[in-house]
Amino acid sequence: SYELTQPLSVSVALGQTARITCGGNNIGSKSVHWYQQKPGQAPVLVIYRDSNRPSGIPERFAGSNSGNTATLTISRAQAGDEADYYCQVWDNTFFVFGPGTKVTVL
Amino acid sequence: QLQLQESGPGLVKPSETLSLTCTVSGGSISTSSYYWGWIRQPPGKGLEWIGSIYYSGSTYYNPSLKSRVTISVDTSKNQFSLKLSSVTAADTAVFYCARSGVDTPMVDAFDIWGQGTMVPVSS
Repeated sequence: SYELTQPLSVSVALGQTARITCGGNNIGSKSVHWYQQKPGQAPVLVIYRDSNRPSGIPERFAGSNSGNTATLTISRAQAGDEADYYCQVWDNTFFVFGPGTKVTVL
Repeated sequence: QLQLQESGPGLVKPSETLSLTCTVSGGSISTSSYYWGWIRQPPGKGLEWIGSIYYSGSTYYNPSLKSRVTISVDTSKNQFSLKLSSVTAADTAVFYCARSGVDTPMVDAFDIWGQGTMVPVSS
């Protein structure tokens, strides 16, 4: 089965840029989606199909995907961006989620 | 605005069957544009997709759970349901229902989620 890898945690200073990676074999050939989950809340889709933002998601959230790594970039990080972030792909006949990355804003 | 709401018993005993229902409001479940899925999250852990269903009844499941999972749809009630049999403490989790696109711009992404419901498995 297809596996995704993510760093366990990422720290970013307030106002700086955070980059969260999602690794997978030739992931660049797949569409990658990203979710933000705050404590006690359901996940929220923040990036779909590698680099597209749903309505209401700030432009500070951006995505890219190439080779074996997809990346979620959060620019001008705010305290409210502190959350767990999950990448997700569709592989043949099932959905796969990454293990999640906890983002801490310092 | 489309909303999803999970419902079901708050506690399940080991070896029994966990049953949950997701009610769709603000839109029809009988659309060719979406699949309807279940995802779970054990306490302090990540997300795990359980399975999804189309309004026609077509299903696909996570291979790791397939032998214990049944997902069904009731279009007359605008609901879909999850049954997970022979549960153990390892099945304790928050269960979410969510919508994923088929032929939409957000294809294969879960764009709308329910709030989730915690289901402990304990005697």
